[in-house]
Amino acid sequence: SQQGEEDPQALSIQEGENATMNCSYKTSINNLQWYRQNSGRGLVHLILIRSNEREKHSGRLRVTLDTSKKSSSLLITASRAADTASYFCATINNTGKLIFGQGTTLQVKP
Amino acid sequence: GAGVSQSPRYKVTKRGQDVALRCDPISGHVSLYWYRQALGQGPEFLTYFNYEAQQDKSGLPNDRFSAERPEGSISTLTIQRTEQRDSAMYRCASSLTGLAGSTDTQYFGPGTRLTVL
Repeated sequence: SQQGEEDPQALSIQEGENATMNCSYKTSINNLQWYRQNSGRGLVHLILIRSNEREKHSGRLRVTLDTSKKSSSLLITASRAADTASYFCATINNTGKLIFGQGTTLQVKP
Repeated sequence: GAGVSQSPRYKVTKRGQDVALRCDPISGHVSLYWYRQALGQGPEFLTYFNYEAQQDKSGLPNDRFSAERPEGSISTLTIQRTEQRDSAMYRCASSLTGLAGSTDTQYFGPGTRLTVL
């Protein structure tokens, strides 16, 4: 069964706006990762945040992690049409396997 | 190779037939993972290998599903007596070390879209 729940399930914004997606999980984790899936393509790893980190940046991406609330957020700043995709959070525990959420579908309108 | 490859990319089969899905991981990657993704859902873990050893097969839905990685490189996921509910995207991923709880990135292949008629 899926561990993560993402919110919102779908998000539609204009190019240039910021997009925020949230993820909640249930059990303790070693780290949390965000992936992007474009239509017809594979999953691409975006960013990883360790359980002892609170915030991480990579280009236009900003990820936060609150282990007390078991939640994470992904912020994409200055969005582009090419950011249109599904975004998944995934947690990893001591077994090494990724547990994915159901994803947020982001549409960026030009 | 440049990345994880999977074959075939698309497979249409009739109910009751057996199918074999192949994954070729990134050269030198120790760990290999299989996931299944239904439409509109995130991937669900099926099984994984460190080298040739199957470390965890807790995600395999039933005994019709099996996987092997005999030489610690290429892996095959086999589904026997396929059913319509097996229709999904089957994804393979590999990572460098696969240590338990490691922060290694898992690199995903393009997937095999299986349709069971």
